[in-house]
Formats: sequence, C-alpha cells, structure tokens
Amino acid sequence: DAGVIQSPRHEVTEMGQEVTLRCKPISGHNSLFWYRQTMMRGLELLIYFNNNVPIDDSGMPEDRFSAKMPNASFSTLKIQPSEPRDSAVYFCASGRGQGDTQYFGPGTRLTVL
Amino acid sequence: AQSVSQHNHHVILSEAASLELGCNYSYGGTVNLFWYVQYPGQHLQLLLKYFSGDPLVKGIKGFEAEFIKSKFSFNLRKPSVQWSDTAEYFCAVIGYGTASKLTFGTGTRLQVTL
Repeated sequence: DAGVIQSPRHEVTEMGQEVTLRCKPISGHNSLFWYRQTMMRGLELLIYFNNNVPIDDSGMPEDRFSAKMPNASFSTLKIQPSEPRDSAVYFCASGRGQGDTQYFGPGTRLTVL
Repeated sequence: AQSVSQHNHHVILSEAASLELGCNYSYGGTVNLFWYVQYPGQHLQLLLKYFSGDPLVKGIKGFEAEFIKSKFSFNLRKPSVQWSDTAEYFCAVIGYGTASKLTFGTGTRLQVTL
C-alpha cells in the first residue's frame, strides 16, 4: 500500500491567498483526520471524518478553515484567506475507526508570508 | 475530557544507554494507548499500541511499553538506544466513548549522542 498521500509537500504563499491541501487516505480506511503541528502548540486535531461525514470539527481554528471529503479516497483542507499564523505542518491521517491506529501522511509544510 | 502528560521534554543519552520516557494520562474509563515516533523532517510513525491483553507491549525497533492501569501510565522503554533513535516521541490516548478523540502529549525530544 502506498500509505497516506498528501500534496503538495511544501507550499509557500502570501497572506490573503487561498491555500488548498489534499489528502488521499489508505484504501479501506473509513476515518480521516486533519492535524496541524507547530512548535508552539504541538499536534492539534483540526477535524475528523468518518465515512466521509465530518464528525468533529471543534479543532478548526476559525471560519477561514474548511474541510471536505467528497468521497472515500479524497479530502481537502482549505484556508481562505491565509495568514502568517497559519504557517505549520499539516498532517492527514487515516484509520479504520476513531479508536484504531491512525496512519499519518508525510505532511504539507505551509509557509504564509 | 482526556489529557496526556509527557514529563520529559528533552532527553539526551549516549548510545547504548537505557531509555525510559514517561507518559501519564487522565481518563476514567477504558483507553487505547499509542506511542508514535517522528524522525527529523518526517511524519509520525506508529511504534507500538495497547488495546487490551498483556500490558507489556513490544513494538518495532526494540521498543516496548508497559501499561499500568493503577498509575494511568504507559511508559516507553528501550534497553539500549542507538544514534538512529534520535527523534521526537509522542504518547497518545483515546478513551472509549462517542465523544473521544485521540489526544497527543506534547512530545519528548530524544537526542542520542555517539
């Protein structure tokens, strides 16, 4: 299996621009998670999908952030407009359920200038 | 709400030294426990997990962890570390319940010197 695939691996953008991060979970996994990792705040869960349905988005920082999962093999995390404080590494993870092992993708390093 | 504490933020060891990283959690019910490792510039990888059964869990690369329910602890151990074990280690816990989500500790940065 190819594992969780994320794109792009690196993104540099200017403040105010829209950013879209993409994730392809492991085939057969029905849960998908978006995390953000920063030095200051560590690893934070942003949103969690189960069977393509958002279950818990309480970690989404504000309305500028949105996530979708149109089908079982694809999810996006969008930031519009982006701000410098959004700079972080964004990880996608997938698993077979909320309590099961989560398998992480390689992450997208986002820099907002 | 559940929480995870990793008391050691930065640990420096010489090669061949023994390792023990502390992890304590707070949750009143049944839990699943995990240790993940993040090598420099890489993503999180599962080291080991505990769901049920033998509280002494063996993982990859010679790591093991012991679940002590009475102490709410899940400490990670390795008898002899290698330079390649230099990484950040995260403990994570999820309680059984519809509102539960995987909660990570703040991580322990391990530096192994030659």
